Amino acid sequence: NAGVTQTPKFQVLKTGQSMTLQCAQDMNHEYMSWYRQDPGMGLRLIHYSVGAGITDQGEVPNGYNVSRSTTEDFPLRLLSAAPSQTSVYFCASSYSADAAKNTQYFGPGTRLTVL
Amino acid sequence: TQLLEQSPQFLSIQEGENLTVYCNSSSVFSSLQWYRQEPGEGPVLLVTVVTGGEVKKLKRLTFQFGDARKDSSLHITAAQPGDTGLYLCAGGRSGGGADGLTFGKGTHLIIQP
Repeated sequence: NAGVTQTPKFQVLKTGQSMTLQCAQDMNHEYMSWYRQDPGMGLRLIHYSVGAGITDQGEVPNGYNVSRSTTEDFPLRLLSAAPSQTSVYFCASSYSADAAKNTQYFGPGTRLTVL
Repeated sequence: TQLLEQSPQFLSIQEGENLTVYCNSSSVFSSLQWYRQEPGEGPVLLVTVVTGGEVKKLKRLTFQFGDARKDSSLHITAAQPGDTGLYLCAGGRSGGGADGLTFGKGTHLIIQP
């Protein structure tokens, strides 16, 4: 199993550009989530999904969209990038929706810079 | 969202010393998790504590969940350079985990040879 994969690993955008961060898992996990990690702020939840077709907002959802058309994939879309979205983005998955009692498997991250 | 405060934020000690990292909240959690993250990688789960007063050991690492389930600690005995990393505690955003995790800001630990 590859686990949780994320692409790209690095990305530089100009303000106003759009892009999609890809996340895929091959463990048949129902629960998937996106976090951003900023210095001094820890990891903050952006969006999460408890199964295909079901998504919900986390702590910092503004400026980001998600969809979950399949169990395997959970892309994160930046509609109009802003410098405040410069961060490292992590995708995670787990077997069940009780995130606090189940192992979250994290991808290697995407480092995004918005100029 | 329930908040988790970690202390200390940074810790640099010599190999062989003992240390304790704390994770505190004013709210009750159904469970707390500890993760370790190395540079350029995602966090990796170390342990989940569920029962108030629970103690779990992972080699030289001892994890404790407070009796009131509002706090947790990580104690490392005889720290080694390989223990260097960012340690994160996490709990359910609303106390449980159905709506995702909230993380503490982390403790940057450096073990010097």
